Amino acid sequence: EVQLVESGGGLVKPGGSLTLSCAASGFTFSNEWMSWVRQAPGKGLEWVGLIKRKVDGGTTDYAAPVKGRFTISRDDSKKMLYLHMNSLKTEDTAVYYCKAATPWGQGTLVTVSS
Amino acid sequence: QTVVTQEPSFSVSPGGTVTLTCGLSSGSVSTSYYPTWYQQTPGQAPRTLIYSTNTRSSGVPDRFSGSILGNRAALTITGAQADDESDYYCVLYLGSGIWMFGGGTKLTVL
Repeated sequence: EVQLVESGGGLVKPGGSLTLSCAASGFTFSNEWMSWVRQAPGKGLEWVGLIKRKVDGGTTDYAAPVKGRFTISRDDSKKMLYLHMNSLKTEDTAVYYCKAATPWGQGTLVTVSS
Repeated sequence: QTVVTQEPSFSVSPGGTVTLTCGLSSGSVSTSYYPTWYQQTPGQAPRTLIYSTNTRSSGVPDRFSGSILGNRAALTITGAQADDESDYYCVLYLGSGIWMFGGGTKLTVL
């Protein structure tokens, strides 16, 4: 069964940092481009960024609101995807989903508040 | 600043057909934008319906189809059912590694 399970969400103060993890199973993780998507409470989906598979260079791209503050990384040996978030703002409060080409995780909530 | 546009809301009768669209604030949507469609019910994670314009994701019924209609991407639901009542989102590839979601369409089946 294809599964993506996010973890690491929680409450963090503005200006703080947090790292989210996504554990993949049931498919060949190393073959997939992986993405993070977020959804603020009561709002629509927002693309955060992606990381290509190693054979395509393993490079990353980010949405403008998070560029320079967020970093996506992957560990293919562990089938893990990460989202390192720095300089967090209240507007980063959202459920964060990891996704492969088609499957999605269930999401993890990040709340940025003093 | 490019904006991806979707109808905020739509309604369809049970058994009816509805077409939701996805456009750009400037320019036309083509297959080069790899339009992808997602369905989300309240409190749930999104589900991929259609990718690369018209390819159905595994397990998605053939009542859902994707296409390009004029200058917009389109998601057509044929024979709408009560459990199709959801939010539908499209996402487009804008180039240079950047994807952008539309604001979503809330579909009511009544």
